[in-house]
Amino acid sequence: SQTIHQWPATLVQPVGSPLSLECTVEGTSNPNLYWYRQAAGRGLQLLFYSVGIGQISSEVPQNLSASRPQDRQFILSSKKLLLSDSGFYLCAWSLGTATDTQYFGPGTRLTVL
Amino acid sequence: QKEVEQDPGPLSVPEGAIVSLNCTYSNSAFQYFMWYRQYSRKGPELLMYTYSSGNKEDGRFTAQVDKSSKYISLFIRDSQPSDSATYLCAMSAPYNTDKLIFGTGTRLQVFP
Repeated sequence: SQTIHQWPATLVQPVGSPLSLECTVEGTSNPNLYWYRQAAGRGLQLLFYSVGIGQISSEVPQNLSASRPQDRQFILSSKKLLLSDSGFYLCAWSLGTATDTQYFGPGTRLTVL
Repeated sequence: QKEVEQDPGPLSVPEGAIVSLNCTYSNSAFQYFMWYRQYSRKGPELLMYTYSSGNKEDGRFTAQVDKSSKYISLFIRDSQPSDSATYLCAMSAPYNTDKLIFGTGTRLQVFP
C-alpha cells in the first residue's frame, strides 16, 4: 500500500530564516505530487504541483519554491520566511489518471515569528 | 465569486442525528466530486468519491450530486462523536484532473 510522509511535523522559525519541508511517497511510481497551504478559515491553497521529476508548476507567486529531485520526493523551500508564510503545509499525491483522487500526508505546522 | 462555496459552520448536532453537509459550485465542467474528512491537526483523508450526478452510499455516509443545480451534499446517518471533524468538498473537471478545487470546509461537532 502507498504511504506518504512529511517532516517535520511542527516548525517554529524566525522571520527571514530559510525553510525546507520534505515529503516522500512510498509504494507507487511516478505519482503527481502537490504542496498545499491551509490557513485558518481559508481552505486549501494549491502552491505547487509536479507531474514528474524536475517538472514543477507554480500556482501562486510568492517567496516559496519547490523541487522534485527524485521520483517520490517533493521539497518545499524558502530563502527568507515572511510572517504570512505561517500555516499548515500539506503534501499530497495522486496517480494522475483521469478519475484519480489525491491523498494527503500528515502535514507540517509552520509558525513564523 | 469563489468556484466552490461551503458554509464554514460550526455545525453542532447531538449523537444519532442525521447531518447534511453541502457545497455549491459555479463551474459546470466539474464532473468529479470528493469529500474529505480532516481531524484537527491532521491531513485530510478521502471519504467519498463520486462521478457525475446521482447518489453513492458507503455505510453511514451518502454522497449526492445534483449537477443541474451545481450542488453536492454529504449525509451522515446516526452521527457519532468520532465524526467530529472538518469536512471539505473537492471537485475537478475532465480537462484538468490534476487539480482539485476545494471548499473551505465545514466544521462538524457531534456531542454525546
